[in-house]
Amino acid sequence: RKEVEQDPGPFNVPEGATVAFNCTYSNSASQSFFWYRQDCRKEPKLLMSVYSSGNEDGRFTAQLNRASQYISLLIRDSKLSDSATYLCVVNPSGSARQLTFGSGTQLTVLP
Amino acid sequence: DTGVSQDPRHKITKRGQNVTFRCDPISEHNRLYWYRQTLGQGPEFLTYFQNEAQLEKSRLLSDRFSAERPKGSFSTLEIQRTEQGDSAMYLCASSAREGGTGELFFGEGSRLTVL
Repeated sequence: RKEVEQDPGPFNVPEGATVAFNCTYSNSASQSFFWYRQDCRKEPKLLMSVYSSGNEDGRFTAQLNRASQYISLLIRDSKLSDSATYLCVVNPSGSARQLTFGSGTQLTVLP
Repeated sequence: DTGVSQDPRHKITKRGQNVTFRCDPISEHNRLYWYRQTLGQGPEFLTYFQNEAQLEKSRLLSDRFSAERPKGSFSTLEIQRTEQGDSAMYLCASSAREGGTGELFFGEGSRLTVL
């Protein structure tokens, strides 16, 4: 089983739609969680951290369910510029110095 | 531009040849990471440096791979006797805090094609 699993998509949605991505992780000791965004042929960039209580940044909402080992990202009022691959990222244990990336979910927002 | 820079951006080589990639991290970052990414996959961790010390290596890093960061600034990743399976994007990242707790800043990557 992969340490971090995501639905690869692709998700094709019209502008203005709300879209949700899910991610599960295998290590219950995982301490920190992130969503990164990767544009086509570009490097990954941090989109947002994910906090236990859930957090919001503009149109983006991230949630964490430790009991189910599940992370989600909700994008509201999607824009053409949101088209990218969204990578779920986990620190698999509190002492790990490196992050483990999921395979990513591809989103295309259509005009 | 004071971001992470990598060189070369593209490398095409024949199987069996050696290749070396260079990474210049953000100047105030003492933590440096190498990742590998293949098409349709997320980045996979290869190795981690804190200053000049290589503190962690993935099992993905076979004996043909070696990484150095001799003065705690730039880093090199060498692949000896390249194989077709080494074809990938090699990403370097740096951070001011340990990767598990902080943001990684990635370079644009060095794309390797082994013929």
